[in-house]
Amino acid sequence: DAKTTQPPSMDCAEGRAANLPCNHSTISGNEYVYWYRQIHSQGPQYIIHGLKNNETNEMASLIITEDRKSSTLILPHATLRDTAVYYCIVSTLGGSQGNLIFGKGTKLSVKP
Amino acid sequence: GAVVSQHPSRVICKSGTSVKIECRSLDFQATTMFWYRQFPKQSLMLMATSNEGSKATYEQGVEKDKFLINHASLTLSTLTVTSAHPEDSSFYICRVNGPNTEAFFGQGTRLTVV
Repeated sequence: DAKTTQPPSMDCAEGRAANLPCNHSTISGNEYVYWYRQIHSQGPQYIIHGLKNNETNEMASLIITEDRKSSTLILPHATLRDTAVYYCIVSTLGGSQGNLIFGKGTKLSVKP
Repeated sequence: GAVVSQHPSRVICKSGTSVKIECRSLDFQATTMFWYRQFPKQSLMLMATSNEGSKATYEQGVEKDKFLINHASLTLSTLTVTSAHPEDSSFYICRVNGPNTEAFFGQGTRLTVV
């Protein structure tokens, strides 16, 4: 079973920030929070990951709460091409020691 | 550019035939690759872990004799669906781990068995 909980769907207006929440209350001290997205009929795409500090890259920002039990992925200026299913995953070392367990994710629809 | 190349992107085959899917790591040497399967409107499910130079490790419920995995080099893993049946129709995706703990996925292969 996936170790994260995400809302099944969200809408966002084009040009606005998209804030995608994720609960991971059972996260272990050595587990990272990873975010991937999957555009229809494509393989998943890595977005960002973090351990306990907030992270930012050219795609998104990741805000992790101090107790690490939840996080938020922020797409600062959503475009129509950001419409996808977003997966929040907790794992050690990118899942190299085993499975990257995908839950059902959040289907983000960016609307004009 | 693509880090992982998967081929073919789409294949239609007759029931009872075999289909080979290739996964190439373009930027990294990969001693381990992963194969996933995704049915319509469902999430990705890990099928097996492909290990270079040794036998693959299969997840519970995945038939190793039906889904043959060969990882003959540090950049290539192949998945062969043998004696395919319509219920094997799915989206197959491979994965390689990058150097900074992130994972890179292939473009996926849409298999349709008719």
